[in-house]
Amino acid sequence: EADIYQTPRYLVIGTGKKITLECSQTMGHDKMYWYQQDPGMELHLIHYSYGVNSTEKGDLSSESTVSRIRTEHFPLTLESARPSHTSQYLCASSEYGQRPSYEQYFGPGTRLTVT
Amino acid sequence: GENVEQHPSTLSVQEGDSAVIKCTYSDSASNYFPWYKQELGKRPQLIIDIRSNVGEKKDQRIAVTLNKTAKHFSLHITETQPEDSAVYFCAASMGGGGSQGNLIFGKGTKLSVKP
Repeated sequence: EADIYQTPRYLVIGTGKKITLECSQTMGHDKMYWYQQDPGMELHLIHYSYGVNSTEKGDLSSESTVSRIRTEHFPLTLESARPSHTSQYLCASSEYGQRPSYEQYFGPGTRLTVT
Repeated sequence: GENVEQHPSTLSVQEGDSAVIKCTYSDSASNYFPWYKQELGKRPQLIIDIRSNVGEKKDQRIAVTLNKTAKHFSLHITETQPEDSAVYFCAASMGGGGSQGNLIFGKGTKLSVKP
């Protein structure tokens, strides 16, 4: 079944550690996104990608980085985690093209706690 | 850039009553307006969307109306049920390629339906 997968679902890590949040989709979508969201609160776009080798910064400044080497894979990396990074991270994907916007599909999220 | 405002931030209704959530947008070029529902601990999921060439759209108990002149759109839920309790997000997009295709989200409305 086509879906978006995120791992890990929950992560508790100490300050200063490097972490990578994984996101994979089997939707066949070109465009992918990362959002940061405190539970039940506003969604903040932090990164997006139009396709392989494309990465763009979103509206919210973030110390994280992303890469897009394969169409289906869009990992997010924090080189040195801090308590201020504690949040939920949602990955999403959509089709991409010139016609009016396409529906975004969200992954289940990774809840990150930095101690 | 586009700005989306959403009201109210919280809404409590009795089971069976109707609920209305309103959003306004700033950029008249926006042409796609989806609504997402996020249950506690779950991913946001699209429940209904409308494009600028349509004034109203219905799907069973939910409906969305769009007033392009006033630049606002609303979500209407009739005969509310406890399972409608969730956070609802509106969004707007100008569509097409580039960053204009990104969704700009409202800050969310927490709907509580009391049995």
